[in-house]
Amino acid sequence: GQQVMQIPQYQHVQEGEDFTTYCNSSTTLSNIQWYKQRPGGHPVFLIQLVKSGEVKKQKRLTFQFGEAKKNSSLHITATQTTDVGTYFCAGSAGGGADGLTFGKGTHLIIQP
Amino acid sequence: SAVISQKPSRDICQRGTSLTIQCQVDSQVTMMFWYRQQPGQSLTLIATANQGSEATYESGFVIDKFPISRPNLTFSTLTVSNMSPEDSSIYLCSVGKSGSNYGYTFGSGTRLTVV
Repeated sequence: GQQVMQIPQYQHVQEGEDFTTYCNSSTTLSNIQWYKQRPGGHPVFLIQLVKSGEVKKQKRLTFQFGEAKKNSSLHITATQTTDVGTYFCAGSAGGGADGLTFGKGTHLIIQP
Repeated sequence: SAVISQKPSRDICQRGTSLTIQCQVDSQVTMMFWYRQQPGQSLTLIATANQGSEATYESGFVIDKFPISRPNLTFSTLTVSNMSPEDSSIYLCSVGKSGSNYGYTFGSGTRLTVV
């Protein structure tokens, strides 16, 4: 079945440094979604990428979808303490009516 | 986005018993799913809850262990049957609308501990 790999598992950064997490799927994806989960909370939707090579930005966050629609990345510029949490990528191979296959997540730890 | 009420938020249950988790949405949604998440770990899809028909289960999950109901477009239940300590986990419902660009909304989860 479909597998979604995500690295790194943990990332420690100093506040103000940049952060990147990478996601790779074993199969071509219909779309990829990114979620953020704060400690003790539930996953919250950040963005969905659908098109090959797509790049989307949300303030300090930049999301990319690879040309082959099998990999993706999330980059945060100048991290802040509010960015702490676990970032998950989640892929869908179907046409949008499928449940998601989640990566293992990257735990972002920020040192002030 | 939809607002989800998931109950109970937590429970401690004896092994061999069953627990039913409810997921109530404030609007009609096309898709409803149930996930399991060990604390600090990733999410695993259990099944898709289909309105008016049997749920679609992922590999490793069976209806006898995790019966699911979805009587309408705003409500679903997941039952964890004949529980063992290995079933201790966080169970989350998730909803979405087909064709939406707004991803899926998750409930706040049910933290289950089996003793």
